[in-house]
Amino acid sequence: RKEVEQDPGPFNVPEGATVAFNCTYSNSASQSFFWYRQDCRKEPKLLMSVYSSGNEDGRFTAQLNRASQYISLLIRDSKLSDSATYLCVWDSGGYQKVTFGIGTKLQVIP
Amino acid sequence: DTGVSQNPRHKITKRGQNVTFRCDPISEHNRLYWYRQTLGQGPEFLTYFQNEAQLEKSRLLSDRFSAERPKGSFSTLEIQRTEQGDSAMYLCASSLNAGANVLTFGAGSRLTVL
Repeated sequence: RKEVEQDPGPFNVPEGATVAFNCTYSNSASQSFFWYRQDCRKEPKLLMSVYSSGNEDGRFTAQLNRASQYISLLIRDSKLSDSATYLCVWDSGGYQKVTFGIGTKLQVIP
Repeated sequence: DTGVSQNPRHKITKRGQNVTFRCDPISEHNRLYWYRQTLGQGPEFLTYFQNEAQLEKSRLLSDRFSAERPKGSFSTLEIQRTEQGDSAMYLCASSLNAGANVLTFGAGSRLTVL
């Protein structure tokens, strides 16, 4: 099994739609989870952290399900400016590396 | 400068040549990471440092790749005898060694091997 499974998309959604991405991980030792956003030809930037209790920031909601070993990102009322690649990221803690998924490409259409 | 700085931003070289990239992290950050990214893929881990100590190096890396971080400040990534498959964006990131490991990336160094 791959260390992470993330649907590369692209997800083409109309403005105003709600879209959700999932990312499954296999390393149960993983401790911290994040979603990063990467615009075309730009560096990744932190979007939000992911907690078991859920994390909401405006139109964005991130959730961690440790039992099923996946994290999710929900975007409500999609804007054209949300078009980007969304990367799931995790850190096993201690002296472990930080690992990125392949990324899910989102294209919001007018 | 409060960000992560990478130089050069672009490098075009012929196969077989050596190249070196430099990364200057955020000054108070003691962790420094190198990643490689190709089109349509997420950043692929190469190596990382805690201060001057190199704590892990990807098994995917050949011996042609070497990284250093003398004095725990800036870092260099050298690729010897470049191959066309080395063409990629090389990203550097830094973070504080406390709490959640939030990475701040530089703009990257794009390598093209002809």
